[in-house]
Amino acid sequence: RKEVEQDPGPFNVPEGATVAFNCTYSNSASQSFFWYRQDCRKEPKLLMSVYSSGNEDGRFTAQLNRASQYISLLIRDSKLSDSATYLCVVGPYNQGGKLIFGQGTELSVKP
Amino acid sequence: EADIYQTPRYLVIGTGKKITLECSQTMGHDKMYWYQQDPGMELHLIHYSYGVNSTEKGDLSSESTVSRIRTEHFPLTLESARPSHTSQYLCASSEFDTRRYTEAFFGQGTRLTVV
Repeated sequence: RKEVEQDPGPFNVPEGATVAFNCTYSNSASQSFFWYRQDCRKEPKLLMSVYSSGNEDGRFTAQLNRASQYISLLIRDSKLSDSATYLCVVGPYNQGGKLIFGQGTELSVKP
Repeated sequence: EADIYQTPRYLVIGTGKKITLECSQTMGHDKMYWYQQDPGMELHLIHYSYGVNSTEKGDLSSESTVSRIRTEHFPLTLESARPSHTSQYLCASSEFDTRRYTEAFFGQGTRLTVV
């Protein structure tokens, strides 16, 4: 089992749709959670950090469920410019670990 | 704006040549990573470092080697390039602060083509 697993894509949605991505992680002691966005042939960039209480940034909402060990990303009113690959990232509790990236879920928003 | 830089951005080189991909960051981060990514595919961790004089192999076996003599510098070397090494190489850095990892910042990548 992979340490971080994401919904297999691609997600093809019309403009204006609401889309949700899920990501599960295997290490229950993980403490740091992020969603990244990667455009085609570009480097990944931070979309948002995920906090225990959940957090929202405009049309984007991230949730953390520690009991079930998953995080989610909700995109409302999707735009053409949201088309990209979304990466789930998890960090362990200890300094000796490393950030773990999921395989990514591709989103394609169509007019 | 991220302060992590990779050079060169693009490299086309012949089989058998030795190459070094440079990665530098000015954020003082202890943790640095090298990822390999083919077009449309997932990121694969090939090397990481916890700090100066510490290097570890990642999840994907790689013929490359790395060194970490200075905090800010994490070069990747291929002794003898082959066409199978053709890929994009991404460098990243992050920090561990008060029981949490900070976000990872990525360089713009080096697109390597071995002919």
